[in-house]
Amino acid sequence: AQKVTQAQTEISVVEKEDVTLDCVYETRDTTYYLFWYKQPPSGELVFLIRRNSFDEQNEISGRYSWNFQKSTSSFNFTITASQVVDSAVYFCAPLSYNNNDMRFGAGTRLTVKP
Amino acid sequence: DAGVTQSPTHLIKTRGQQVTLRCSPKSGHDTVSWYQQALGQGPQFIFQYYEEEERQRGNFPDRFSGHQFPNYSSELNVNALLLGDSALYLCASSFQGSSQPQHFGDGTRLSIL
Repeated sequence: AQKVTQAQTEISVVEKEDVTLDCVYETRDTTYYLFWYKQPPSGELVFLIRRNSFDEQNEISGRYSWNFQKSTSSFNFTITASQVVDSAVYFCAPLSYNNNDMRFGAGTRLTVKP
Repeated sequence: DAGVTQSPTHLIKTRGQQVTLRCSPKSGHDTVSWYQQALGQGPQFIFQYYEEEERQRGNFPDRFSGHQFPNYSSELNVNALLLGDSALYLCASSFQGSSQPQHFGDGTRLSIL
């Protein structure tokens, strides 16, 4: 079974600041996926990224970047030059290869002020 | 291309009643998962349906049951409602399991009085 810790309950930044959301996970599986989802006020979860446990190459996509470090079981997410529209709750979730039970963390509420 | 649609949007029930929530998956998706999200918490996995069978179940009592139809749409049924069942119920669809990115609906907000 997986467990996720998102230690930051709430983060508030001013527009154009960079912000990093932390995620630490626990798993006994050797192969797994890691996901980030975003939940805006409308309620719908929006898929952001999926990583495989064997792929530690970090990725940049536009204003988003991800830092996956298997040695510390962390999968952090950074937004560069934040915008008001980035305001949402962000969830990290691991998923074992042999399991369909995606375990979401408690989420980090990000507020970006103009 | 319609995404995941859920109905109804909001629902108010009383303790002991039964409720049915509905979900239509995104076009091309064959797998439907249901999640319960209590206020201020992350979604919790209830169960997943694939090929009209319950493929996996989370830690929820038998009062929670479901069904998947040949057109891949799905229903979530909850019997003997408790106050603690008040939550946002999210449906997610994907192609052949959870490893593919799941697409979520807007959810059904269920309130138990």
